[in-house]
Amino acid sequence: DAGITQSPRYKITETGRQVTLMCHQTWSHSYMFWYRQDLGHGLRLIYYSAAADITDKGEVPDGYVVSRSKTENFPLTLESATRSQTSVYFCASSESILAGGPATYEQYFGPGTRLTVT
Amino acid sequence: SQQGEEDPQALSIQEGENATMNCSYKTSINNLQWYRQNSGRGLVHLILIRSNEREKHSGRLRVTLDTSKKSSSLLITASRAADTASYFCATGGGSARQLTFGSGTQLTVLP
Repeated sequence: DAGITQSPRYKITETGRQVTLMCHQTWSHSYMFWYRQDLGHGLRLIYYSAAADITDKGEVPDGYVVSRSKTENFPLTLESATRSQTSVYFCASSESILAGGPATYEQYFGPGTRLTVT
Repeated sequence: SQQGEEDPQALSIQEGENATMNCSYKTSINNLQWYRQNSGRGLVHLILIRSNEREKHSGRLRVTLDTSKKSSSLLITASRAADTASYFCATGGGSARQLTFGSGTQLTVLP
């Protein structure tokens, strides 16, 4: 299917376990982003990537690891999950510039992964 | 911390009425975007306004931007029950294309 997908959609894990959230996009967008959404905080940027093998920290990167070996995939790993990481996680992608057109900035979001850490 | 702060946090109106949401931000921006989120879903991009623009329209949406006041407003005209959702403003700046989101306005349109 075309677009941006996330898996799993729901995950329950225990404190201390490692868990990886997957994100896949079919548009070959250059940029990819991971956000977490918590009540009262809106969306906060965890990590982002400008291209394959280029990643950088966002506002709340502690406790998370990302990689981007292929343009289309951007997995997010919680190395040792904590209860404070219970949240809804959204992946997004964005193209840098449309062919022959101006720079674009819109982000396209996946459906989200609801993660509960017990 | 959020760059953008929406006001009001919640808004309830009757179908057919107009809905206005406001967003304030703190630092200089390249662009400001509005997104909608239906319950349990991902965010959907609605409209983008660049820092050198003052007003933009898209269908029933009208966005204004006042960079001197660091504020923006989103007007939805002739609202429908299907417009019920959370609306977020997001500010962007620089080449990294990072967006900073506000905490959102929950809009309820009553049939």
